[in-house]
Amino acid sequence: DGGITQSPKYLFRKEGQNVTLSCEQNLNHDAMYWYRQDPGQGLRLIYYSQIVNDFQKGDIAEGYSVSREKKESFPLTVTSAQKNPTAFYLCASSMYRTANEKLFFGSGTQLSVL
Amino acid sequence: AQKVTQAQTEISVVEKEDVTLDCVYETRDTTYYLFWYKQPPSGELVFLIRRNSFDEQNEISGRYSWNFQKSTSSFNFTITASQVVDSAVYFCALSEGGNQFYFGTGTSLTVIP
Repeated sequence: DGGITQSPKYLFRKEGQNVTLSCEQNLNHDAMYWYRQDPGQGLRLIYYSQIVNDFQKGDIAEGYSVSREKKESFPLTVTSAQKNPTAFYLCASSMYRTANEKLFFGSGTQLSVL
Repeated sequence: AQKVTQAQTEISVVEKEDVTLDCVYETRDTTYYLFWYKQPPSGELVFLIRRNSFDEQNEISGRYSWNFQKSTSSFNFTITASQVVDSAVYFCALSEGGNQFYFGTGTSLTVIP
């Protein structure tokens, strides 16, 4: 089945630690996105990528980093610079990055701080 | 300012009742797209519908219907004869020419059996 796989489902971070969230898609989509979801808030864009080896900052990129070495993969690293990392992280993809494209989402990763 | 406003934070209905989820958007673009997504307890958002700014026809899909009114900048979603499986968080989203998606804060719907 085609889709987006995020792992792990739950992740715990210690103070000063970097953690990496995995996102893999087999939909052959060009564009991939990372969103952060906090209770009572909408989805906020962290980073997006339209093509391999290229990515752009979203609205809340500080304290995060990404890479896009393969079309299928778009991992997100939450660095120690992100002081409030506890949130639900959603990876998404679309065929292209155009205004009318619907997004396909993974099942998310819940990140908590120990 | 919020681009997409979902004023209803939580709604509870009894099974088989009809329920309408409100969505008000703000844009200066003449070409834009509106979406509804459903987020069940499993976490992943599921696409429900897309509507472009030039098509104001209402749409019905089974028990779901959508009312798009440009005059009031609204794109409301109605579930007829609600079922327990409809319990989820529903997000309205706007996409403009700049290719940025703006999500509302979501409406949590609980259908009580």
